[in-house]
Amino acid sequence: QKEVEQNSGPLSVPEGAIASLNCTYSDRGSQSFFWYRQYSGKSPELIMSIYSNGDKEDGRFTAQLNKASQYVSLLIRDSQPSDSATYLCAVQKMDSNYQLIWGAGTKLIIKP
Amino acid sequence: GAVVSQHPSWVICKSGTSVKIECRSLDFQATTMFWYRQFPKQSLMLMATSNEGSKATYEQGVEKDKFLINHASLTLSTLTVTSAHPEDSSFYICSAQLGSSNQPQHFGDGTRLSIL
Repeated sequence: QKEVEQNSGPLSVPEGAIASLNCTYSDRGSQSFFWYRQYSGKSPELIMSIYSNGDKEDGRFTAQLNKASQYVSLLIRDSQPSDSATYLCAVQKMDSNYQLIWGAGTKLIIKP
Repeated sequence: GAVVSQHPSWVICKSGTSVKIECRSLDFQATTMFWYRQFPKQSLMLMATSNEGSKATYEQGVEKDKFLINHASLTLSTLTVTSAHPEDSSFYICSAQLGSSNQPQHFGDGTRLSIL
């Protein structure tokens, strides 16, 4: 079992719809959770960070964390073609020397 | 805030050349910096963790004599690919972390290295 799992996709969503990206992790001691967006040929860009159970909203993005079920998700409302990218879930464990454990990423395609 | 600058963006050089890549945190002090490598259509691979003033911690399978890392200040880390060969061609990306352990990593724009 991978430490951080994401569906590789591609996930195809019509423009204007809600895109839902999911991530599960194996270490219950994980403390910090991040979503990054990576366009093809570019470096990752931080979208959201979340540290406690519940929802955290920032503009069109909402991160959801459920530590009991060990999953974290990212919702993108009113999806735009410019949201098409690979979305990386990253989890930080307490004893990881600040390293992030990365999911393989979900490729999201927003169709006009 | 949290801007990380990485240079150069592109490097094309002959086999056997050593290449130095710089990573700077422009508006914050980065206690810890990270170096990643990414091959086309593959996941990020952590190469090493760099703490200011101490030796870098390399991931398993990464040759420390091949990939020299120096983190001399809280705003600058460098990666030198020594005697580069075509198989070292990749996208190298640095990231920097602000302060305490639960802060996110902020990435530089990456360096695309092509060894002929």
